[in-house]
Amino acid sequence: GAGVSQSPRYKVAKRGQDVALRCDPISGHVSLFWYQQALGQGPEFLTYFQNEAQLDKSGLPSDRFFAERPEGSVSTLKIQRTQQEDSAVYLCASRGQWSSYNEQFFGPGTRLTVL
Amino acid sequence: DQQVKQNSPSLSVQEGRISILNCDYTNSMFDYFLWYKKYPAEGPTFLISISSIKDKNEDGRFTVFLNKSAKHLSLHIVPSQPGDSAVYFCAASALGGGGADGLTFGKGTHLIIQP
Repeated sequence: GAGVSQSPRYKVAKRGQDVALRCDPISGHVSLFWYQQALGQGPEFLTYFQNEAQLDKSGLPSDRFFAERPEGSVSTLKIQRTQQEDSAVYLCASRGQWSSYNEQFFGPGTRLTVL
Repeated sequence: DQQVKQNSPSLSVQEGRISILNCDYTNSMFDYFLWYKKYPAEGPTFLISISSIKDKNEDGRFTVFLNKSAKHLSLHIVPSQPGDSAVYFCAASALGGGGADGLTFGKGTHLIIQP
């Protein structure tokens, strides 16, 4: 596709449930990022992949958060035992190999609401 | 501790006039700066970027100015149009200096263009 796509667009979970959020990056982009955006805040970095390798996961808030990109294209962000503070928009971004300014191209996000 | 600050949560400008959005940063390791525009229920869209070795970058109606000594940058939109109404995020990267690949965002400024 032409841009980054994410699914589902909206997810409602009961506290304690596990959720999985999917990201399809721009075709050919080797770098993929996950961000969390709380209401009224800017996006905050969670984790970064280059191809299938997870090179930085310093932003993951707890061990309940897990991300994978097994074949170097589609990525999944999994949140186990969701808590109310996990409610946020989860944004995925990808970056081309020849980006000189670290331009990242974002998907529409998944809005997660934990009840 | 916020490393990228956008101190104006909102800004109202008349159509046709200049819009100036400001951003301050504290980390001297940042070497690339980017502006993103975000409409409701969409992901951030890349707008314009600047390297720390430059003090100005222009793209059509959009110009970004960087004052490295003051750790300040601004985005100028001239002339402002109704479609410019959106939330604008300032983001910074330390990638060139061997820093993290993730972007650091400000909280955003909601620009409202009045007819």
